[in-house]
Amino acid sequence: GAGVSQTPSNKVTEKGKYVELRCDPISGHTALYWYRQSLGQGPEFLIYFQGTGAADDSGLPNDRFFAVRPEGSVSTLKIQRTERGDSAVYLCASSLDPNNNEQFFGPGTRLTVL
Amino acid sequence: ELKVEQNPLFLSMQEGKNYTIYCNYSTTSDRLYWYRQDPGKSLESLFVLLSNGAVKQEGRLMASLDTKARLSTLHITAAVHDLSATYFCAVDIAGAGSYQLTFGKGTKLSVIP
Repeated sequence: GAGVSQTPSNKVTEKGKYVELRCDPISGHTALYWYRQSLGQGPEFLIYFQGTGAADDSGLPNDRFFAVRPEGSVSTLKIQRTERGDSAVYLCASSLDPNNNEQFFGPGTRLTVL
Repeated sequence: ELKVEQNPLFLSMQEGKNYTIYCNYSTTSDRLYWYRQDPGKSLESLFVLLSNGAVKQEGRLMASLDTKARLSTLHITAAVHDLSATYFCAVDIAGAGSYQLTFGKGTKLSVIP
């Protein structure tokens, strides 16, 4: 079956601009996660959705970052007033059941802020 | 704060040799995950270990979990070039209601002929 998909695959923007990154999880997966990965590092947690609600947003670095999942499927990560330090690969993952938390990752969106 | 440490961070090994990657974590958990990442690609799930003493094997890779020691190992047997990649371990603390994965920094494995 289809895996997790993310669009766009690459996004280049200028400092101060607004960006939206989209994630389409595996069909039927109720849990959705956003992570970001900097070069040479492991992924770092941003936010976790169970259904439509954000169950844990403790990883969001500041209030410029926001994410939604209005219908419990597709999610959008929104970054306002982008900064050069936001440049990273943003990864989305989904899992069928948080009690067996095997998370399946999408290909990522590489964000570059100039 | 949960910390996950892997060693070594870089590993160059010859084809046919055996080696072990270690993953230590700082907080009680009985849930550990291993992922593989090829350059420029996303993460591929390798193993899910959900109890003390769990052992799983797939091909030339075998993973184990010792929750008392807070240690997981990924053992490579008779390495081949196709195993060259970065390997990450990750932990969650679902018992505390936290399902986020905390990752180690990764072990970059290069298998040379």
